[in-house]
Amino acid sequence: QKEVEQDPGPLSVPEGAIVSLNCTYSNSAFQYFMWYRQYSRKGPELLMYTYSSGNKEDGRFTAQVDKSSKYISLFIRDSQPSDSATYLCAMRDFGNEKLTFGTGTRLTIIP
Amino acid sequence: GAVVSQHPSRVICKSGTSVKIECRSLDFQATTMFWYRQFPKKSLMLMATSNEGSKATYEQGVEKDKFLINHASLTLSTLTVTSAHPEDSSFYICSAYIAGKAYEQYFGPGTRLTVT
Repeated sequence: QKEVEQDPGPLSVPEGAIVSLNCTYSNSAFQYFMWYRQYSRKGPELLMYTYSSGNKEDGRFTAQVDKSSKYISLFIRDSQPSDSATYLCAMRDFGNEKLTFGTGTRLTIIP
Repeated sequence: GAVVSQHPSRVICKSGTSVKIECRSLDFQATTMFWYRQFPKKSLMLMATSNEGSKATYEQGVEKDKFLINHASLTLSTLTVTSAHPEDSSFYICSAYIAGKAYEQYFGPGTRLTVT
C-alpha cells in the first residue's frame, strides 16, 4: 500500500463547476499537508498548505483535512479553464523535511 | 517572493557526456534543496537532499556517482548527470524551502533532459 493515494483521473468538468480533489494517506505521523498545481512541462506551484484538521480557504480554493480519517481534499469553486493542470497532494511529518507526494490528478476544465 | 530558478530549461546531449543543471533560490537563502525526477504523467520521485556545505543524502536506488550534487552556497545547488544514457532522459526539478518553513517548499520550473 502506498503511503499516499490519489486518484490519477483524468477528470473533466465544465467551466464554473465545483471540483473536488482527494487524497488518502496511511501514515498517521503526517502533520503538514500541501496542494500543488503543475502545468504541463512546468514545476509544481504551491497552492495551499495546512497543518490542522478543518478547512482553510484562499479565494476559490478550499483545503480540507480530516486527520481522523486520514483524508484531505482540495475544492475549487467557479472553476476556470486556467485551472486545467495536474494537482498534486503532498504531506510530511513534523521531524522530516521530505515531502511525500500523491501521484497527481489531471484536471481539465471545459469552456 | 520565494522564487526558484533552474538552468537550463531543456538540454539535449549525446550518450556518454555529462550535463550540469543549476538550481538557484533567487530571493531567499536555502540551506536545503531537493532534487526530483519526474517521468511523463507520473509524480515526483525524490532523488536526493542537498545540504549547503555538506554531502548530499541520496534516496535508496539513486546512484550517487552518476548523479553528482553540489550545494556550494546558500542559493545554488547543482546536479550533474555523468556519463548520461538515454534512460536518464527525464524532467528534473529542484525545490527549496525557507528555513523554518519546510512545509512551504518552492519548486523550480524544471529541466527537460534528452539523451540521444
